[in-house]
Amino acid sequence: QQQVKQSPQSLIVQKGGISIINCAYENTAFDYFPWYQQFPGKGPALLIAIRPDVSEKKEGRFTISFNKSAKQFSLHIMDSQPGDSATYFCAARRETSGSRLTFGEGTQLTVNP
Amino acid sequence: SAVISQKPSRDICQRGTSLTIQCQVDSQVTMMFWYRQQPGQSLTLIATANQGSEATYESGFVIDKFPISRPNLTFSTLTVSNMSPEDSSIYLCSVEGRGLNYGYTFGSGTRLTVV
Repeated sequence: QQQVKQSPQSLIVQKGGISIINCAYENTAFDYFPWYQQFPGKGPALLIAIRPDVSEKKEGRFTISFNKSAKQFSLHIMDSQPGDSATYFCAARRETSGSRLTFGEGTQLTVNP
Repeated sequence: SAVISQKPSRDICQRGTSLTIQCQVDSQVTMMFWYRQQPGQSLTLIATANQGSEATYESGFVIDKFPISRPNLTFSTLTVSNMSPEDSSIYLCSVEGRGLNYGYTFGSGTRLTVV
């Protein structure tokens, strides 16, 4: 059962544009929602994370928007740069399940110069 | 956040052999996680390893195929046994961080090719 659904599968954005990646989850027991960035040949790196008591969190050019009632959260990358080209994964954690992360399917972002 | 050293970074192995992947963390951690990531795919949790107890395996993964050791709070190994080409994948270890974001840190992965 896929508990975290991510879209789109791939995204192409022009330099300076806004990249938006969406995720939806099913389990209301999830209590922590991180986004990871992965470059080829590297492990995923934590980008930004949010807890469900907050509707938005911003760190630099990266913003998470969280809609608890809709069970959706999204990543916005403002002023997208070619260096942002990577695969992005959303994830969710249910604290009572032994701290495991459930990942979305991933979005391959390409930012054209 | 923790720093993870994972070895080997890549290997090409013969069908039917076994490979042991090592994961060393620069700080003591309670839980260590092993993931598999097939090319172009998402991460799938194989098992959770707590020091001093048997690893907990996810559905579809069994101890005979993926034995895990966790001898202390900074080290773990994952063995991929009796390999077949279907085991070709990237294997990653991860630890749960402590702090405001409860971030999870990942190793750089082991790219395994079985021929």
